[in-house]
Amino acid sequence: DQQVKQNSPSLSVQEGRISILNCDYTNSMFDYFLWYKKYPAEGPTFLISISSIKDKNEDGRFTVFLNKSAKHLSLHIVPSQPGDSAVYFCAASYSNSGYALNFGKGTSLLVTP
Amino acid sequence: EPEVTQTPSHQVTQMGQEVILRCVPISNHLYFYWYRQILGQKVEFLVSFYNNEISEKSEIFDDQFSVERPDGSNFTLKIRSTKLEDSAMYFCASSDQKGNYGYTFGSGTRLTVV
Repeated sequence: DQQVKQNSPSLSVQEGRISILNCDYTNSMFDYFLWYKKYPAEGPTFLISISSIKDKNEDGRFTVFLNKSAKHLSLHIVPSQPGDSAVYFCAASYSNSGYALNFGKGTSLLVTP
Repeated sequence: EPEVTQTPSHQVTQMGQEVILRCVPISNHLYFYWYRQILGQKVEFLVSFYNNEISEKSEIFDDQFSVERPDGSNFTLKIRSTKLEDSAMYFCASSDQKGNYGYTFGSGTRLTVV
């Protein structure tokens, strides 16, 4: 069952513009959300996270927004750079689940010069 | 920057054979994980390991799978009798504390079962 969904398999954005990657989830028990970035032939790299008690978390060019009522989160990258081209995974977990992360299928971002 | 190291990067094995995938987590980390990604699908949790025992495992992690920390540095995933559907990218990860989900992944081992 797909508890974390990334409905856009790919996204293309011009350098300097904003990239918005979206993620939806179905399990209302999730209370912690993360974004990972993955380059080819590498493992996922942690990017940014947000707890369910917040609706926004910012780290440099990266901001994650959480809308609990809509069970939706998004990652904003401003400004986008060619080095941001990668696959972005949304992941979620809940405190009582222990240690497991539930991942989405990923969105491939291409930032063009 | 500390890394999680996985070997080999690619393993080809015949159906029914046993395979051992190896991982060296970051030295001061205490929590260890295996995930896998079948081509075109999502990254899936297999198992977590802490204090020399399994903390949590998924439905995928059946009796064919086992994990071990044979010494102070290695963390292994064994598949006893591989099936075609075990073909996937297997990622090892580690973290320094409970609840730190921003853990560090290795580059993965691509397992191909033929």
